[in-house]
Amino acid sequence: DVKVTQSSRYLVKRTGEKVFLECVQDMDHENMFWYRQDPGLGLRLIYFSYDVKMKEKGDIPEGYSVSREKKERFSLILESASTNQTSMYLCASSPRPPLAGGRADTQYFGPGTRLTVL
Amino acid sequence: AQSVTQLDSHVSVSEGTPVLLRCNYSSSYSPSLFWYVQHPNKGLQLLLKYTSAATLVKGINGFEAEFKKSETSFHLTKPSAHMSDAAEYFCVVSDSGGGADGLTFGKGTHLIIQP
Repeated sequence: DVKVTQSSRYLVKRTGEKVFLECVQDMDHENMFWYRQDPGLGLRLIYFSYDVKMKEKGDIPEGYSVSREKKERFSLILESASTNQTSMYLCASSPRPPLAGGRADTQYFGPGTRLTVL
Repeated sequence: AQSVTQLDSHVSVSEGTPVLLRCNYSSSYSPSLFWYVQHPNKGLQLLLKYTSAATLVKGINGFEAEFKKSETSFHLTKPSAHMSDAAEYFCVVSDSGGGADGLTFGKGTHLIIQP
């Protein structure tokens, strides 16, 4: 089974702190994704990566950055946490790069990190 | 451009009765469609996916969905609800012709099972 793990299930930080959320997958997937999930808004894509050291902005990248130094690990960074970043953060991976005109493949999700910024 | 609309934010059924969760999509290309389930405090799990093979797709836990191009729908059904089906369900569309990662998530339907 594909396993996607996230470093923390619950996290409480203060406004202005630098926050790192870590995600690791064990299936050698090329693609990795970070979403935030808020009630009534569904999942919104923050950043994604198709390969090591490669990153692309999603729909809501403001206030976030990412790092992918190794294939299995994708980190989400909040440079200066704010209260409006209180949310559930979900990491996902999928098995191959989407080709031009190709179909997106199934994404496998981690359990999520519930971040509260005070 | 692609979009997905889940027509009900909450659905409540009695245990043992049928489940219907409605999803409509729009896509400029031939889409792939997914249903994911999220149980409380858990990540999302794939229930089923449609990728242009059979229009009736069977998934895990007795769920199935039918792709209807003329109605641009991909409704999720189950003949008999079980208490363990209580969860949040997300309909997802992938536009094969464009978009960086290609997935667009619906806002979710909360399924409540009454004993």
